[in-house]
Amino acid sequence: DTGVSQDPRHKITKRGQNVTFRCDPISEHNRLYWYRQTLGQGPEFLTYFQNEAQLEKSRLLSDRFSAERPKGSFSTLEIQRTEQGDSAMYLCASISGAAVGDTQYFGPGTRLTVL
Amino acid sequence: GDSVTQMEGPVTLSEEAFLTINCTYTATGYPSLFWYVQYPGEGLQLLLKATKADDKGSNKGFEATYRKETTSFHLEKGSVQVSDSAVYFCALSPSVNQAGTALIFGKGTTLSVSS
Repeated sequence: DTGVSQDPRHKITKRGQNVTFRCDPISEHNRLYWYRQTLGQGPEFLTYFQNEAQLEKSRLLSDRFSAERPKGSFSTLEIQRTEQGDSAMYLCASISGAAVGDTQYFGPGTRLTVL
Repeated sequence: GDSVTQMEGPVTLSEEAFLTINCTYTATGYPSLFWYVQYPGEGLQLLLKATKADDKGSNKGFEATYRKETTSFHLEKGSVQVSDSAVYFCALSPSVNQAGTALIFGKGTTLSVSS
């Protein structure tokens, strides 16, 4: 069990550019979540996958955001035409079960800075 | 909608002092409650959890009791150490959750312990 990993850890980009982040969950965890955390705030839910199916998206996820989880393994989160307001820490979490009390395991996050 | 409110920080304590970080929630039904900790430069780690009323979660000397009557889940530790310096997040997983088991977080409380 190597934990949840995310790549890159830091990304600096110019406004208008596209960026893509990757998340590798704990192996055999069938649910994967993306959250966004801005300075001084707690993480906010963006979207989640059960295996390869994207089952729910938050209203925070504008049309410029897209996420995939091909083959139910790693996941990518792409932001097109980045804006300064997209600057945040993007967190990925995975979980093996589906019960309300099951534990989510978080990755270290990708910090995005949009200049 | 469901929400979590936790005391604002920063909380500054001397080593061996008693710690309380207040957390209250608003939710329908019977959510599960969590405390996560984020050490500098690291991802969120589960500290403890409770899945039903009157349950007490405990780990590393930290404790929190799920109080349905006061809708609270306050975090306590009898004697803090410098190594406890971190940001602490209270979170809930709604009992009826369209977003799988996605967590709703408070804003976080920064704890700084000096020797």
